[in-house]
Amino acid sequence: DARVTQTPRHKVTEMGQEVTMRCQPILGHNTVFWYRQTMMQGLELLAYFRNRAPLDDSGMPKDRFSAEMPDATLATLKIQPSEPRDSAVYFCASGSDRVIPGVPQHFGDGTRLSIL
Amino acid sequence: GESVGLHLPTLSVQEGDNSIINCAYSNSASDYFIWYKQESGKGPQFIIDIRSNMDKRQGQRVTVLLNKTVKHLSLQIAATQPGDSAVYFCAESSNGGYQKVTFGTGTKLQVIP
Repeated sequence: DARVTQTPRHKVTEMGQEVTMRCQPILGHNTVFWYRQTMMQGLELLAYFRNRAPLDDSGMPKDRFSAEMPDATLATLKIQPSEPRDSAVYFCASGSDRVIPGVPQHFGDGTRLSIL
Repeated sequence: GESVGLHLPTLSVQEGDNSIINCAYSNSASDYFIWYKQESGKGPQFIIDIRSNMDKRQGQRVTVLLNKTVKHLSLQIAATQPGDSAVYFCAESSNGGYQKVTFGTGTKLQVIP
């Protein structure tokens, strides 16, 4: 079964440190999404890429968060500097709208981030 | 102090019974709907989807019903099993495709053995 792979699965670091989360989308998928899940806010969309181009990052705090797709097999989400309020589970999902019918988003198992 | 999180509605069902999880949406332009299941420590897992030109779709032990008149979506799980215990999310899209979707807050399903 093809899966979205996220690394690391867990990350604990001190506030002020840079955090980089990585995602390998399913081969052939052309859409990639980053979500954050917390008890307070539920599942929030942070950024959305299509064919590696950022389409929507309105949910992302621009001053400290950045999302990129260096190539079709890698998406990254960076936080610099990190703050305790960034503690959450970050999910990556990939899908495809190049085919009909399209492929719904398939999620990775997330990176559980704790900022001390 | 104690943090206050989202209060997830909880549905408790006896093993073997059928479960019905409901979802209301507000965007009349939504034309594509998905149900996801999230188990503890895992990412949401796709269960079934439905487009707005349909009112019913069936999968293995699951059925999704769509009522566009009242903007209501439901997920029916037949013969509920302990492994069905999870949080279930509905999601909607108004992009006509498989792009950006908006997730609901989720319903926790508890299966009583």
